Amino acid sequence: EVQLVESGGALVQPGGSLRLSCAASGFTFGTYWMHWVRQAPGKGLVWVARINNFGTESPYADSVKGRFTISRDNAKNTLYLQMNSLRVDDTAVYYCARDGPNMSAFDIWGQGTMVTVSS
Amino acid sequence: SYEVTQPSSLSVSAGQTANITCSGNKLGDRYVSWYQQRPGQSPVLVMYQDNKRPSGIPERFSGFNSGDTATLTISGTQAVDEAHYYCQEWESSTSWVFGGGTKVTVL
Repeated sequence: EVQLVESGGALVQPGGSLRLSCAASGFTFGTYWMHWVRQAPGKGLVWVARINNFGTESPYADSVKGRFTISRDNAKNTLYLQMNSLRVDDTAVYYCARDGPNMSAFDIWGQGTMVTVSS
Repeated sequence: SYEVTQPSSLSVSAGQTANITCSGNKLGDRYVSWYQQRPGQSPVLVMYQDNKRPSGIPERFSGFNSGDTATLTISGTQAVDEAHYYCQEWESSTSWVFGGGTKVTVL
């Protein structure tokens, strides 16, 4: 079964750091681009970052540029999101998603992990 | 930055047709995808590249994109279709934009 499982969400103070993980299974992880998407409570979906299959290219949304870093370990079938200088408005459920093959869309999503930034 | 706009809500009677719109400048020049999100669940892809249904998505879902508007149509709407629907545009491989979402209520 194709599956993505996020972990690492927590309550953190403003200015703090957190690393999210996304474990992939059921497909050849190293051949797919991957994304992080977030959703603030009661709000819509917002794209955060993307990484190519080699881990050599990674565009970011302006709201997280310079603070967040997306990375991957293809040997471990795992995607990461390092989040630094966290702000209250980073509070959201964070989803990892697979870039569908020749689909220009996100075809597989994880269940999400909650990040709460609060003092 | 590019923006796409959706109506915040839509009500449809069971068995009728729901047309969910997504608007943006020359949106027809870009690919549009649609995602369904039921309460407390992760998004599910229901349409990609304007009018293609992923495996497992019922035939009652269809899509169209031209000019400044993309439309997701649900024919014979069922209670199970009650959810938020988000459009997403794709024009380059460096930025992805979602609409604000439409809450579909089945009466």
